[in-house]
Amino acid sequence: DAGVIQSPRHEVTEMGQEVTLRCKPISGHNSLFWYRQTMMRGLELLIYFNNNVPIDDSGMPEDRFSAKMPNASFSTLKIQPSEPRDSAVYFCASSFGPSGNTIYFGEGSWLTVV
Amino acid sequence: AQKITQTQPGMFVQEKEAVTLDCTYDTSDQSYGLFWYKQPSSGEMIFLIYQGSYDEQNATEGRYSLNFQKARKSANLVISASQLGDSAMYFCAMREPLPINSGGSNYKLTFGKGTLLTVNP
Repeated sequence: DAGVIQSPRHEVTEMGQEVTLRCKPISGHNSLFWYRQTMMRGLELLIYFNNNVPIDDSGMPEDRFSAKMPNASFSTLKIQPSEPRDSAVYFCASSFGPSGNTIYFGEGSWLTVV
Repeated sequence: AQKITQTQPGMFVQEKEAVTLDCTYDTSDQSYGLFWYKQPSSGEMIFLIYQGSYDEQNATEGRYSLNFQKARKSANLVISASQLGDSAMYFCAMREPLPINSGGSNYKLTFGKGTLLTVNP
């Protein structure tokens, strides 16, 4: 079975450019999470969707960040405009049900903003 | 405040020996879940083991076991017979309900800072 699929795996972009990260959750999973990992702050939850509806976006750092989930099999995290401090690994994760006891992560999108 | 504490920034173990990675948590909720993930140098997050707060027995998955002591609020990961491939960062995480009335038992996963395990040959 395919796991959580993220793209791109690596992206290097210039400051000010728009960045779009993509995620395909595991088929049948109805909860989707976006996390960001940095050395300084560790793993932070950015936003969480349940049944395609954003439930908690309190972790989204600022208005430059936005996330959508137009259907059960696709989500995007967009940064516009990007800044060097956005450089991090962005993980998408999915699970089945709000109390799912297994949460699977994608391989991450490594973003570098120069 | 809910939080996860991993007090060991780094741990060393000899190949074939057992190692315990510590994790304590803080919650006032009765229903919660505890997870351990492994992150090798390649960066992916690999799910290892899960323990529910109402589970009476400690979770086990192959060489991994979770030493769950509810009264002490600890959920230590025990890796038996360490292998060189076990060298990685290990994260403890807790599933906790969101303080949002969204009509369901929605939750988030909060991670500790991690422990870097090095297995020596």
